[in-house]
Amino acid sequence: GAVVSQHPSRVICKSGTSVKIECRSLDFQATTMFWYRQFPKKSLMLMATSNEGSKATYEQGVEKDKFLINHASLTLSTLTVTSAHPEDSSFYICSAREAADTQYFGPGTRLTVL
Amino acid sequence: QKEVEQDPGPLSVPEGAIVSLNCTYSNSAFQYFMWYRQYSRKGPELLMYTYSSGNKEDGRFTAQVDKSSKYISLFIRDSQPSDSATYLCAMKTSGNTGKLIFGQGTTLQVKP
Repeated sequence: GAVVSQHPSRVICKSGTSVKIECRSLDFQATTMFWYRQFPKKSLMLMATSNEGSKATYEQGVEKDKFLINHASLTLSTLTVTSAHPEDSSFYICSAREAADTQYFGPGTRLTVL
Repeated sequence: QKEVEQDPGPLSVPEGAIVSLNCTYSNSAFQYFMWYRQYSRKGPELLMYTYSSGNKEDGRFTAQVDKSSKYISLFIRDSQPSDSATYLCAMKTSGNTGKLIFGQGTTLQVKP
């Protein structure tokens, strides 16, 4: 299957700093990428849909000024958590859509804000 | 009522058993059905993908979709300890703009 990578896999930062997470589709072009958040023993919560070359579409309740998404190319989308706080600590997962209806997920990034 | 219902388990079976995982849904517009496997602290891995009703088999895995009952299943034959993971069902309506709607996930443990 198609491969999606994320970097970093784990990050620890101080409260108030910003953290950038990269999501790359390694062997296919993805016009659409998705960003999810997952709490322990919970399902995935869609945060936003990222389309190459246009603004991301955020789900209700997700602060777009806090979670900045950039999808500058067909193989790269970034999520920046701005002014991170301990409540932002979570497992962030991206996915990329290869064909019309198949999504492949990255390995996830565990963010811990101290 | 959630759009997609999935029993979180945990489900514990002995090695070699046949495992049955299920999801029910309420939106009759769902056309695409997927099963993902997620190991602890990892991203979900696509296992099976089915369009509309019917069965699909891939090795030890069989996915079934019954749209009339709004019910989908994943069967795992000859289960192995390496199958121990959380299994997430997901579905979407037709078209490029449909979002994946996930079930809560079922935690499976296969004991040697």
